[in-house]
Amino acid sequence: QSVLTQPPSVSGAPGQRVTISCTGSSSNIGAGYDVHWYQQLPRAAPKLLIYGNDNRPSGVPDRFSGSKSGTSASLAITGLQAEDEADYYCQSYDSSLIGHVVFGGGTKLTVL
Amino acid sequence: EVQLVESGGGLIQSGGSLRLSCAASGFTVSRDYMSWVRQAPGKGLEWVSVIYSGGTTYYADSVKGRFTISRDTSKNTVFLQMNRLRAVDTAVYYCARDGDRGLDYWGQGTLVTVSS
Repeated sequence: QSVLTQPPSVSGAPGQRVTISCTGSSSNIGAGYDVHWYQQLPRAAPKLLIYGNDNRPSGVPDRFSGSKSGTSASLAITGLQAEDEADYYCQSYDSSLIGHVVFGGGTKLTVL
Repeated sequence: EVQLVESGGGLIQSGGSLRLSCAASGFTVSRDYMSWVRQAPGKGLEWVSVIYSGGTTYYADSVKGRFTISRDTSKNTVFLQMNRLRAVDTAVYYCARDGDRGLDYWGQGTLVTVSS
């Protein structure tokens, strides 16, 4: 199982708001390590979506936002669009795994 | 423009070896951290290895002792030497630039299939 825990799936209708949680522990998110989020469209490589907990790279719509509190982080998507249907992964680091990148198990977003 | 292009994947028998390459352009690999991440068919992302700008390397427990990450600064390329391959190593392997902003650039991936 993954060091970071995500729900396997979430869904929402076009225009709605959905959130994806990423739960860690005191050795990773709770230790102050940044959380990054990636979007993986079908049959494509992952793409950086949110970095440093709540920052969007250039070109990412402001419908996507990130937050972090305690040992958890969240990705919110507002104004859901069909093209948002993808897998989403959170990523951080862990003090017990020096040098290692740790991922969540991924969440499949379905736009109804 | 930053670009990463992986190559070297293919079909290999269990116990065999492969060397993956990740050719970078638009930045210098020796000045950044570079990671390999893999994704087994239908599964999530799994971090494999990283090489720091200073040359320090780290590996996931699942590949430690079998895989070796390295780089060639003259070719601006990062490599992943994979030995004693197992069926569970079957995956798409991605290289990615690893920095303060997370894994901010990814290659398109190269498929490694290990037959048992």
